[in-house]
Amino acid sequence: QQQVKQSPQSLIVQKGGISIINCAYENTAFDYFPWYQQFPGKGPALLIAIRPDVSEKKEGRFTISFNKSAKQFSLHIMDSQPGDSATYFCAATFSGSARQLTFGSGTQLTVLP
Amino acid sequence: NAGVTQTPKFQVLKTGQSMTLQCAQDMNHEYMSWYRQDPGMGLRLIHYSVGAGITDQGEVPNGYNVSRSTTEDFPLRLLSAAPSQTSVYFCASSFLTGSNSEAFFGQGTRLTVV
Repeated sequence: QQQVKQSPQSLIVQKGGISIINCAYENTAFDYFPWYQQFPGKGPALLIAIRPDVSEKKEGRFTISFNKSAKQFSLHIMDSQPGDSATYFCAATFSGSARQLTFGSGTQLTVLP
Repeated sequence: NAGVTQTPKFQVLKTGQSMTLQCAQDMNHEYMSWYRQDPGMGLRLIHYSVGAGITDQGEVPNGYNVSRSTTEDFPLRLLSAAPSQTSVYFCASSFLTGSNSEAFFGQGTRLTVV
C-alpha cells in the first residue's frame, strides 16, 4: 500500500532550468511533509519541509508548494545546478515529527552542465 | 560530530546465515528506526523505537528483529537471511517530540544475500 506516490521516477534538466517533482498522498491525517535529498553512497538528508497550514515554503532555490484539498505537494528547484544531481524523496508523517516517515518512491534528478 | 554511525558498510551473506547490523547515535535522540531502500520503492520502515526498552514494528518487519538496551544503540538482526533481504539498510534517529523534527540518517549498509 503506497500512501505517498511520487513522480517522475527520473528527471533530466539543463543547468539553470527548473526541476519539478510531484507527490500525492492518501492519508489526510498526515501533517508534516519533508523532502529528503540523497547523494550516491550517502544516507538521505533533510532538504526542506512544510506543514499543511501554509501553501508554500521557500528556502533559497528550493520551494515546496502544497495543495491540501488535492492532497498534493511538489518540490521546485529553481536555477538547477549540476550539484543538485541526486535522488529526491518526498515523505509524510504525523504529529509534525520525524517519526514513522512514509516515503515516496524517489526521483533521480540529473542536471546537465 | 559522528551523528548516526552504521556498521558494516557492505556485507555479503549466504542464504540462512544470521547477522547483526549495528547502529549508534550520539545526539541523545529518543527515536530510532530502521529502513530498507529498494529500487523504485523508496524507503520502507522495518522497526522503530521510542526509547530504551521499547520497540515496535513498521511496514516490513518480517525476518528482522531489534532491541534497544541503551539510548545510543539500535541493532537490527537478520535471523535467517533470504535473497529477498538484499537491500540497502538505513538507520535514522530523531527527537521524539517537537514540531518539524529532523530525522538524521546513517550512511547505510549494503547487504547482498546469495
